[in-house]
Amino acid sequence: EAQVTQNPRYLITVTGKKLTVTCSQNMNHEYMSWYRQDPGLGLRQIYYSMNVEVTDKGDVPEGYKVSRKEKRNFPLILESPSPNQTSLYFCASSFFNEQFFGPGTRLTVL
Amino acid sequence: EDKVVQSPLSLVVHEGDTVTLNCSYEVTNFRSLLWYKQEKKAPTFLFMLTSSGIEKKSGRLSSILDKKELFSILNITATQTGDSAVYLCAVEAKDGNQFYFGTGTSLTVIP
Repeated sequence: EAQVTQNPRYLITVTGKKLTVTCSQNMNHEYMSWYRQDPGLGLRQIYYSMNVEVTDKGDVPEGYKVSRKEKRNFPLILESPSPNQTSLYFCASSFFNEQFFGPGTRLTVL
Repeated sequence: EDKVVQSPLSLVVHEGDTVTLNCSYEVTNFRSLLWYKQEKKAPTFLFMLTSSGIEKKSGRLSSILDKKELFSILNITATQTGDSAVYLCAVEAKDGNQFYFGTGTSLTVIP
């Protein structure tokens, strides 16, 4: 089944404790992206990647890192999470602009 | 500043009604406009529009783009309770392949 998977689905952590949210797709898509969704602000793009080893900043990249060492994986790294990074995070991969979204990761930073 | 604005923010209708959702945008180097449906989980793709005046249709849903006036509408006819969701509009910018989303329209269909 074609899909985008994210792990973990839920995470509660404390300020400053480094974490990684994994994202994997099995559709051989070149384009992958990370979004955060907050009430009243909608989906905002954090980082995106056009292909392996090619990443670029979206609208809200501060406090996040990404890497794209393999085509299928695009992890999101929070080196020192802060409470304002509490949000619902979506990974997506796309083929000709039709984005397929992962199930989301709900992150709470205390 | 690039932005996408959707209206109304929320809408409550009865089954069988027809609704029109609006999306206006100001995005540098427009490439495409996309509509998604989000039902308390991940957004799912509905339509992609790139050319003005050409209607895209899927069952009871249809959408059209006006690149001169910088807006799109999503129509849903004969609404059903299963249409209850948040409808998101997104615009892709040509430079860098960035996507800009609106805050969505929350549609509730009452039986």
